[in-house]
Amino acid sequence: GAGVSQSPRYKVAKRGQDVALRCDPISGHVSLFWYQQALGQGPEFLTYFQNEAQLDKSGLPSDRFFAERPEGSVSTLKIQRTQQEDSAVYLCASSLSLRRGRDGNEQFFGPGTRLTVL
Amino acid sequence: KQEVTQIPAALSVPEGENLVLNCSFTDSAIYNLQWFRQDPGKGLTSLLLIQSSQREQTSGRLNASLDKSSGRSTLYIAASQPGDSATYLCAVRLSGGSYIPTFGRGTSLIVHP
Repeated sequence: GAGVSQSPRYKVAKRGQDVALRCDPISGHVSLFWYQQALGQGPEFLTYFQNEAQLDKSGLPSDRFFAERPEGSVSTLKIQRTQQEDSAVYLCASSLSLRRGRDGNEQFFGPGTRLTVL
Repeated sequence: KQEVTQIPAALSVPEGENLVLNCSFTDSAIYNLQWFRQDPGKGLTSLLLIQSSQREQTSGRLNASLDKSSGRSTLYIAASQPGDSATYLCAVRLSGGSYIPTFGRGTSLIVHP
């Protein structure tokens, strides 16, 4: 595709509900990142995939957060038993490869999913 | 732990002014630094990427410089326009195999006609 896409763009959930957020990276991009951005803050790293392998999940705030990328392309971020503090914009970014040259590690971001937990 | 600070936090200027946005970082062993723009309710758009071996990058009216030794980068916007109104974020990635960028909180820019 032309860019990184995310769905849904907006999600309102009741506290305790499970949600699933989808990211479609740019075709051929090996690396995929998830970030959480609270209001007025910069994005905070959640997790990183290289192809289908989740190489780092150190930024996931609790075991209620789970991410997968089973076929090395589309990724899903799942949040179980949502809490009000999970309200944020969830951003997905992809890059060609971290080991490529100058342009290979430039990150391209999707529009984000704004999650509101009531 | 890398800390990234952006000043000013907010800026309001009349159209036509030349602007300088600042980004400072605490650990100078960086791999690259990337400047982004974020419009309200939108994702991040990459503006410029500077590798650690480079001192500046230019794209149109934008020029970003990097001084690793002092832990600073500046984004220069020439002849600002109302369409430049957005939040500008810088992200720093450390060398040594780290792939996790650290973002600043951004500078919110308003350019009024």
